[in-house]
Amino acid sequence: GAVVSQHPSWVICKSGTSVKIECRSLDFQATTMFWYRQFPKQSLMLMATSNEGSKATYEQGVEKDKFLINHASLTLSTLTVTSAHPEDSSFYICSAWDVISYEQYFGPGTRLTVT
Amino acid sequence: GENVEQHPSTLSVQEGDSAVIKCTYSDSASNYFPWYKQELGKGPQLIIDIRSNVGEKKDQRIAVTLNKTAKHFSLHITETQPEDSAVYFCAASPNSGYALNFGKGTSLLVTP
Repeated sequence: GAVVSQHPSWVICKSGTSVKIECRSLDFQATTMFWYRQFPKQSLMLMATSNEGSKATYEQGVEKDKFLINHASLTLSTLTVTSAHPEDSSFYICSAWDVISYEQYFGPGTRLTVT
Repeated sequence: GENVEQHPSTLSVQEGDSAVIKCTYSDSASNYFPWYKQELGKGPQLIIDIRSNVGEKKDQRIAVTLNKTAKHFSLHITETQPEDSAVYFCAASPNSGYALNFGKGTSLLVTP
């Protein structure tokens, strides 16, 4: 199957700093990517839908000024957590939709810890 | 919006037995129902999916059934092995290009 990568796989940052997470589709083009957040022992919750070349669509309750999403190319979407706080510590997972196979593929996730 | 309920939350079976996980959904517009396996610290891995134009799909030891009238779908794993131990999530959406609505997950433990 198609591969989606995320970088970094884990990151520790101090409260108040910003962190950027990359999501790449390695062998297919993705016009649409999704960002999910998963707290320990919980399910995946959609944060936003990222469409190449346009603004992301955020779910209710997700602050767009805090979680900046940029989908500048057909293979890369980035999520920047600005002014991170300890409550932002979570597992962030992206997925990308392959228009050829009609499948949605998930990345391996990024563990963010804010101290 | 779509609401996906998943049961049971935990399931323990002996190696070789079958495991069944059930999900229900609320939105009749949902037509795509994937199942994911997630191991600790890793992203979800698609194991099987079914679209609304079929009622059953099978891939080796894994099968999924769908009842659109009743709005429920199930995952069946036969001849379970210890490496099947993981958290399994069901999901639903209008099609694979839409964001997925996930169930709360089932922690499956297969004991030797």
